[in-house]
Formats: sequence, C-alpha cells, structure tokens
Amino acid sequence: AQSVTQLGSHVSVSEGALVLLRCNYSSSVPPYLFWYVQYPNQGLQLLLKYTSAATLVKGINGFEAEFKKSETSFHLTKPSAHMSDAAEYFCAVSDGAGNQFYFGTGTSLTVIP
Amino acid sequence: GAVVSQHPSRVICKSGTSVKIECRSLDFQATTMFWYRQFPKQSLMLMATSNEGSKATYEQGVEKDKFLINHASLTLSTLTVTSAHPEDSSFYICSAQTDGNYGYTFGSGTRLTVV
Repeated sequence: AQSVTQLGSHVSVSEGALVLLRCNYSSSVPPYLFWYVQYPNQGLQLLLKYTSAATLVKGINGFEAEFKKSETSFHLTKPSAHMSDAAEYFCAVSDGAGNQFYFGTGTSLTVIP
Repeated sequence: GAVVSQHPSRVICKSGTSVKIECRSLDFQATTMFWYRQFPKQSLMLMATSNEGSKATYEQGVEKDKFLINHASLTLSTLTVTSAHPEDSSFYICSAQTDGNYGYTFGSGTRLTVV
C-alpha cells in the first residue's frame, strides 16, 4: 500500500525566501511521486513528477524536488518565493500499476510581502 | 498539451435531486478516468476509477448506487450524484492519464452545493 505524509498543513514564507514543503512517502514497491498545486476553486496542476529516473526533478515555476530513498522523502523546494506561489500543494504517490494516486493532506503556502 | 474539461464548474441543487458532472478529454482518448472528492481544507480522496465500456471500480466506503459513473466513450466520463443531500456538497475533480510516463491531467473541478 502507498501513502504520503505532508508535514505542516500551513507554511508561511517571506517573498524571496526559500520555500520548503515536506513530503514523506510509504510504499511497498518503487514509488512514483508527484507534486501538484491547486489554486482556489481550481483543479490540480502538475508541478513535477519522479518516475525512477533522475532523483532531482525540476518542475515548472522554478520548483524542484529530490527523491531520497534512504529518507523516504520527496520534499519540494523553490529558492525564492513569489507572491503567485501562494496556493495549496499536494504530494501524491502511485505504485505505477493501478494508476491510482494517493494524496497527502496538502500544505497551504502563504507568501508574505 | 492534454486538456481535461470538466463541466459544470459550479452547481447548486435542491436536496433529493440528481446532478450530473461531465469529464471530457479534449484532445486524447482516455480509457481510464478517475473521480476524486475534496472536502474543504482537506485532501483529495479517490472515489472511483472509471473504465471505458465497463463498470467503474469504487473505493471502499463509496456508495456506487449514489455516485453513478458512466464511461461510454473514450473521451467522456460522467458522475451522477443521485438523490443529493447537503452532506454531498463538495468539490469533485476528475483526472485522466495523458501519457505513458505517468502523466495525469486533472479537470478544473466542480463545486457542488446541495441546499
């Protein structure tokens, strides 16, 4: 079975500061990991995904995430926060076989001017 | 890129009535689509997997007779909330696999309010 845990339901950073959103996963098989962003009353937009290729994955809008098997983590980072980054972020895991996603509980990112 | 269109974006209905939500893949064929439900300030919970030409697979605890899913074509899956109640008020989102490299595209969601 697969699951993800997102530490911190709310994260606040100053504009221009580092963004770090944490995600730890549990999987009995090699996982496929994803980060999605959701703006209010909208669907989900894929930021990036890890599918067993390079462990450092670069996504859209300057975000990146590193797959660390030893730590079962897939934390999302961005060097410099922008006001437009304020949104809800979801980490998700899939076993790649059933094509199902298991989402974390989400982290709400607030960017302070 | 691949687009999943979901309609309507918002719907308000009276208790006891039924509401149909459509999820369309606009420029690709989707043999499998997924339906999620999201309560306020919570994560997305998979409700069911919609398979073209066959019965949907429901997650544990999801009432299949209440949430009817039809996937009659490779580009359209529908979710019908039957005999809606206020507790069915939620944000419903569909998704489809858009490429073999685990690319999934989500619809823009439907905000259902049952009054």
